[in-house]
Amino acid sequence: AQTVTQSQPEMSVQEAETVTLSCTYDTSESDYYLFWYKQPPSRQMILVIRQEAYKQQNATENRFSVNFQKAAKSFSLKISDSQLGDAAMYFCAYRSAGDNDMRFGAGTRLTVKP
Amino acid sequence: DTEVTQTPKHLVMGMTNKKSLKCEQHMGHRAMYWYKQKAKKPPELMFVYSYEKLSINESVPSRFSPECPNSSLLNLHLHALQPEDSALYLCASSQGPAGVYNEQFFGPGTRLTVL
Repeated sequence: AQTVTQSQPEMSVQEAETVTLSCTYDTSESDYYLFWYKQPPSRQMILVIRQEAYKQQNATENRFSVNFQKAAKSFSLKISDSQLGDAAMYFCAYRSAGDNDMRFGAGTRLTVKP
Repeated sequence: DTEVTQTPKHLVMGMTNKKSLKCEQHMGHRAMYWYKQKAKKPPELMFVYSYEKLSINESVPSRFSPECPNSSLLNLHLHALQPEDSALYLCASSQGPAGVYNEQFFGPGTRLTVL
């Protein structure tokens, strides 16, 4: 069974600084997708960034980028120029190609200090 | 329209009540999901509907009964719940197995309290 591990329950970053959230996963499959979701306090869960396993190029969305290391089964999220609005719970998620269900990590709570 | 809507936002019910949660999407998605989320925890998958058929039931107690009347609607019928069922119930949708990324779009959730 696929598992997703986020080893950092909490992280904090100073406003305008850069922070990296870690995620590792375990799978025997070769075709899959990886996601980072953000869930602000009492607000909706939204997709931050996504990555296809067969793509070597790391995904980037504005201030958010990933470091995808397929061999190491690692998928970290880098947030540059952190903003107060980035404070949230961040979940790493895995989905096998052709499957509907998604596996979530335990989450990392990010605090942004002004 | 890239929105998943859920009603009600909050629900308080007694253990003998029967209530329903509703979820709606108009993105043409063919897979819809129910999750249960406890505070500071990741969502736990409960049910998956694919093309209006129940495809995954993660050993959820029978006091939770899902229903997918059509491709846009998903209901969760609640009966004889326990206080430990109090949680945030999230609905999500995705394109379905044929979708390339098949990322899930989440609704805002229904916060359920069982007294």
